[in-house]
Amino acid sequence: DAGVTQSPTHLIKTRGQQVTLRCSPISGHKSVSWYQQVLGQGPQFIFQYYEKEERGRGNFPDRFSARQFPNYSSELNVNALLLGDSALYLCASSLAGQGVYNEQFFGPGTRLTVL
Amino acid sequence: GQQLNQSPQSMFIQEGEDVSMNCTSSSIFNTWLWYKQDPGEGPVLLIALYKAGELTSNGRLTAQFGITRKDSFLNISASIPSDVGIYFCAVPLMDSNYQLIWGAGTKLIIKP
Repeated sequence: DAGVTQSPTHLIKTRGQQVTLRCSPISGHKSVSWYQQVLGQGPQFIFQYYEKEERGRGNFPDRFSARQFPNYSSELNVNALLLGDSALYLCASSLAGQGVYNEQFFGPGTRLTVL
Repeated sequence: GQQLNQSPQSMFIQEGEDVSMNCTSSSIFNTWLWYKQDPGEGPVLLIALYKAGELTSNGRLTAQFGITRKDSFLNISASIPSDVGIYFCAVPLMDSNYQLIWGAGTKLIIKP
């Protein structure tokens, strides 16, 4: 069975540009969470979606937005990129919106570099 | 805001040695999680702890949920080369929720 997939693997953008990152959850999983991981730090929660509805949002500016599609895949959009947005963006999928942590799996991430 | 203090930041160990790392907070949590992240990959859950005082093992890994609910420990016995990586503690911001807050990680390096 395929795990969580994310695309693209790597991405280079310049300041002010916009970026869209994509995540396909494990088949049957209905919840997707997004995290930002700056080099040398732990992940920081950005969004959680369950059944296409936003269930939670971390302390990130409105430049960050996300959505979940009927097939449960998800996109994370970041507008007006800043140098500080350079990070590994992780997607995690889970069966449900509840905290059964051994049923949550992370993708390999998208490495975003902003120049 | 809520913060997890994870130590040590990095560890250089010989193969076969035992390893200990810990995570503390000024806040009380009802769940403590330990993850490992290898280069180029996402974190993988190692152990989940749900009860204060709980001691749980997963092979050579043992983790404990502190009695005060403000800390947790992870021990690795008889380390092997594949133990190299970054270990993170994490807690849910709210019960039954995937909104996790994470420590800064402990990087484990095996001395050649």
